[in-house]
Amino acid sequence: DAGVTQSPTHLIKTRGQQVTLRCSPISGHKSVSWYQQVLGQGPQFIFQYYEKEERGRGNFPDRFSARQFPNYSSELNVNALLLGDSALYLCASSLWQEVAYEQYFGPGTRLTVT
Amino acid sequence: GNSVTQMEGPVTLSEEAFLTINCTYTATGYPSLFWYVQYPGEGLQLLLKATKADDKGSNKGFEATYRKETTSFHLEKGSVQVSDSAVYFCALRANAGGTSYGKLTFGQGTILTVHP
Repeated sequence: DAGVTQSPTHLIKTRGQQVTLRCSPISGHKSVSWYQQVLGQGPQFIFQYYEKEERGRGNFPDRFSARQFPNYSSELNVNALLLGDSALYLCASSLWQEVAYEQYFGPGTRLTVT
Repeated sequence: GNSVTQMEGPVTLSEEAFLTINCTYTATGYPSLFWYVQYPGEGLQLLLKATKADDKGSNKGFEATYRKETTSFHLEKGSVQVSDSAVYFCALRANAGGTSYGKLTFGQGTILTVHP
């Protein structure tokens, strides 16, 4: 079975622009989470979605938003990009949110803001 | 809030040396604990986990024991290989209900380099 897939792999944007990152979970997984990993640091939680509803939000500004589709794939949107948004964005999927099954991570999208 | 602290890195070892990477945590209740590994240019892979006190997680020769009395989850391997060179992250997940309880809280990561 395919693992978690993310697209694009790499992305270069200019300050002030908007970006959309995409994630497809493992088949059968209904929960998707997004994390930001700045170079040299551990991943930081951004959002968790389950059954198309937001179930958790980390300490990120409103410029960050996400949604989950009926097929359980997800998009992360970041508006008005700042240099500090440059990071590896990781998506993770799991079976159920309530039971808190372990999360499986995708390879990430490397975002560079210039 | 919950937090994870890992030993300062990087760690450089010779092949077949013994490895210890320290991890301590702060959390309410009884979290689940994890070690993830990240190879260059890749995402995170779950290495091992423990869900309750005194549990020992193990995988690929790596071990870690959930010590509630010392709030620790130190990673050990008896004999490292060059292929173990990677970044290792300790993480916790709160097991109580409520918002974001599925969220993982990570340490800052420890870079391990193993030389032949």
